[in-house]
Amino acid sequence: DIQMTQSPSAMSASVGDRVTITCRASQGISNYLAWFQQKPGKVPKRLIYASSSLESGVPSRFSGSGSGTEFTLTISSLQPEDFATYYCLQHNSYPRTFGQGTKVQIK
Amino acid sequence: EVQLLESGGGLVQPGGSLRLSCAASGFTFSSSSMTWVRQAPGKGLEWISEIVDSGATYYADSVKGRFTISRDNSKNTLYLQMDSLRAEDTAVYYCIKGGWGDYWGQGTLVTVSS
Repeated sequence: DIQMTQSPSAMSASVGDRVTITCRASQGISNYLAWFQQKPGKVPKRLIYASSSLESGVPSRFSGSGSGTEFTLTISSLQPEDFATYYCLQHNSYPRTFGQGTKVQIK
Repeated sequence: EVQLLESGGGLVQPGGSLRLSCAASGFTFSSSSMTWVRQAPGKGLEWISEIVDSGATYYADSVKGRFTISRDNSKNTLYLQMDSLRAEDTAVYYCIKGGWGDYWGQGTLVTVSS
């Protein structure tokens, strides 16, 4: 099974900060990676698919990059509505696996 | 508009069974892979099963042999039969269109407790 290691597990940041979250795969997954945002009590929402493709309607301050085993989600200028938990998902092979999540909190 | 409506959750005793349903609309259900993902209280997301358009099925090790995913294309409905339930199966169960999470249902809560 492919393990997805997400870092950091939690972070504190201020509005306007640049935020980077990393997911590392235990083996190569090409670009078969998606990123999700989940706010408390809400359903997860996909932000990025195919590693770097922005979901329709998602603000352009979100971006994704990477291929193979290392991937990043970047928020260029953190906004109040971005405080949430973020997850990566590999869909290169079965079983699919999520990262353990990164909680972005207000500093 | 894609809609996914889960049902069937509830309280069940350890060792018991439950069947979840997901009624789908707004897309060609028979052509789409469908996935179940769960989230235990206060925990992260866990992928548990997928059924592709051909009917092939895939499972996480944590549920293999206990859970069965199936679909009825005539009813546009996805199912998850859960047997031999354990306390650690307590979670919100989400039905998802596709194999990489483009549309999610609202979830249904399953509580395994005596």
